[in-house]
Amino acid sequence: EVQLVESGGGLVQSGGSLRLSCAASGFTFSIYNMNWVRQAPGKGLEWISYISSSSTSMYYPDSVKGRFTISRDNARNSVYLQMNSLRDEDSAVYYCVRGGDFDGWGQGTLVTISS
Amino acid sequence: QAVLTQPSSLSASPGASASLTCTLRSGINVGTYRIYWYQQKPGSPPQYLLNFQSDSDEQRGSGVPSRFSGSKDTSANAGILLISGLQSEDEADYYCMIWHSSASVFGTGTKVTVL
Repeated sequence: EVQLVESGGGLVQSGGSLRLSCAASGFTFSIYNMNWVRQAPGKGLEWISYISSSSTSMYYPDSVKGRFTISRDNARNSVYLQMNSLRDEDSAVYYCVRGGDFDGWGQGTLVTISS
Repeated sequence: QAVLTQPSSLSASPGASASLTCTLRSGINVGTYRIYWYQQKPGSPPQYLLNFQSDSDEQRGSGVPSRFSGSKDTSANAGILLISGLQSEDEADYYCMIWHSSASVFGTGTKVTVL
């Protein structure tokens, strides 16, 4: 069974930084591309980063480019999201998501930015 | 104009069929994209339903009932999720998604109510 467990969310001031982690189990992590997707309260889904299985490619939308960095450690079956220069509009539940099909989702971790 | 537009809501009776549309922005041809669909119930992360490229290329997620199916309406430049034999448990938000220019884009979401 695919399991993705996010951690690292919390309350942070505007302009601050936060590092999210996602621990994967139940599948061969090293062969899957991974993503982060967020959802602001009462809003829709927004994809915010992609990393290929061997970390050779990373992609971001303009809304977070230059502020967020995705990385992974295949030895630890983990993917990370370093978030810098956080803004009010970054407040959301952040999901770790498996593959290009987005066929496995974690429960999410809540990030709240206070101004 | 959003890349992917979905009607905000849809209501139908139990046992009826519901057709959810995902309209691609002008200039983005639905025929060249694989359309992905997700279901999200309140308080839970999204779940992968299926993806559809053509009648001979549709992939349903593990455990997803066959009453969920995909199609395309090329004249409307739209992807379609068909839910047959609606059940009360199908009441949820539904999102479409495509990969466009190395970025994932989600639709605006449709809230399905089973009356």
